[in-house]
Amino acid sequence: KAGVTQTPRYLIKTRGQQVTLSCSPISGHRSVSWYQQTPGQGLQFLFEYFSETQRNKGNFPGRFSGRQFSNSRSEMNVSTLELGDSALYLCASSPGTSGRVFDNEQFFGPGTRLTVL
Amino acid sequence: EDKVVQSPLSLVVHEGDTVTLNCSYEVTNFRSLLWYKQEKKAPTFLFMLTSSGIEKKSGRLSSILDKKELFSILNITATQTGDSAVYLCAVLSGGSNYKLTFGKGTLLTVNP
Repeated sequence: KAGVTQTPRYLIKTRGQQVTLSCSPISGHRSVSWYQQTPGQGLQFLFEYFSETQRNKGNFPGRFSGRQFSNSRSEMNVSTLELGDSALYLCASSPGTSGRVFDNEQFFGPGTRLTVL
Repeated sequence: EDKVVQSPLSLVVHEGDTVTLNCSYEVTNFRSLLWYKQEKKAPTFLFMLTSSGIEKKSGRLSSILDKKELFSILNITATQTGDSAVYLCAVLSGGSNYKLTFGKGTLLTVNP
């Protein structure tokens, strides 16, 4: 089975722009979660989706949004980019039908490295 | 505010040593504690612990949770250079609108 894929792998943007990152979960997985990792703050939970519905959201401003499509692929969007948004953005998928990503093992993708200049 | 503290922040050992990594937490309405291994980029899920005193084991790795004293340990026996990584602990807490709080991680370096 193919693993979780994320595109693009690297991205450079300037302040004020917006960005969309994509995540394709493992086939058959319906739960997708997103994370931001920075040297200063470490790993932080962004949001979680199951069956096209956002189930939970971490403590991030409204500039961070996401969605999930009927094929379970997910996108996250960051608008009005700030320098502090430079980070590794990770996505994970999880099997199971409980609708709670953390009830099951999560499988992470390789991440998208976003640099904001 | 929920807190997850891992110790030590970094550790250097020799192959064959046994290591113990610590994770303590202060959260409201604890649900579960998760351990991950992060080598290059993508973390790998190791364990999920929900009940006190029940050891989870996978090969040379094991982990246990103490919900009374609010901590968990991750043990790695007979360490190998391939165990070199950052080990992350995270705590899931809250009700229907739950939170996932990560610790800063422990950087383990295993020298040959």
